[in-house]
Amino acid sequence: ILNVEQSPQSLHVQEGDSTNFTCSFPSSNFYALHWYRWETAKSPEALFVMTLNGDEKKKGRISATLNTKEGYSYLYIKGSQPEDSATYLCAFMSQFYFGTGTSLTVIP
Amino acid sequence: EAGVTQFPSHSVIEKGQTVTLRCDPISGHDNLYWYRRVMGKEIKFLLHFVKESKQDESGMPNNRFLAERTGGTYSTLKVQPAELEDSGVYFCASSPPPGTGATASQETQYFGPGTRLLVL
Repeated sequence: ILNVEQSPQSLHVQEGDSTNFTCSFPSSNFYALHWYRWETAKSPEALFVMTLNGDEKKKGRISATLNTKEGYSYLYIKGSQPEDSATYLCAFMSQFYFGTGTSLTVIP
Repeated sequence: EAGVTQFPSHSVIEKGQTVTLRCDPISGHDNLYWYRRVMGKEIKFLLHFVKESKQDESGMPNNRFLAERTGGTYSTLKVQPAELEDSGVYFCASSPPPGTGATASQETQYFGPGTRLLVL
């Protein structure tokens, strides 16, 4: 069984702060890493699909980087807003393994 | 464009009963995935269809679970007989055929709203 780990488990930040989370995964047999944003009682929403070592992707204030050689990806949120509050999941899609997520709360 | 839909949204059944969950993927999406999240735990993969064929069913917990995708359109997941530990949220996701040189795992997956199953 492979481990996909996310840290921190939860995070509270003030509105306007920038923040980042980590997803670590096995560095072998890599195909893709997916990031999702998941609000309570809704379905996970795809943010990024990352496939190449060194990938950097950006969507608005959210960006992500990928290091397949050392097995980690960072998700960054610049200038957090209350509507960014959600759980952010990563998934190691070579074997369809999801992390347990980082729960972000942005305090107005 | 309609998203992935799932039916029912909630189901409460007694241990030993049968429940059938349905997923309608986005039109044109060959890949269809079933996942399950048990309370407090991570989302776990159950199986992957490519059109009507089971590409990977390594995540199916046991033979009480049966998934079908007749005609390569919608899919059903039947649990028979249901046990208490089957309670959780069952998600379906779909993705388009991979581009040239890509694999299915490299395509964005679009999730449905999930079916919340409670077995009493």
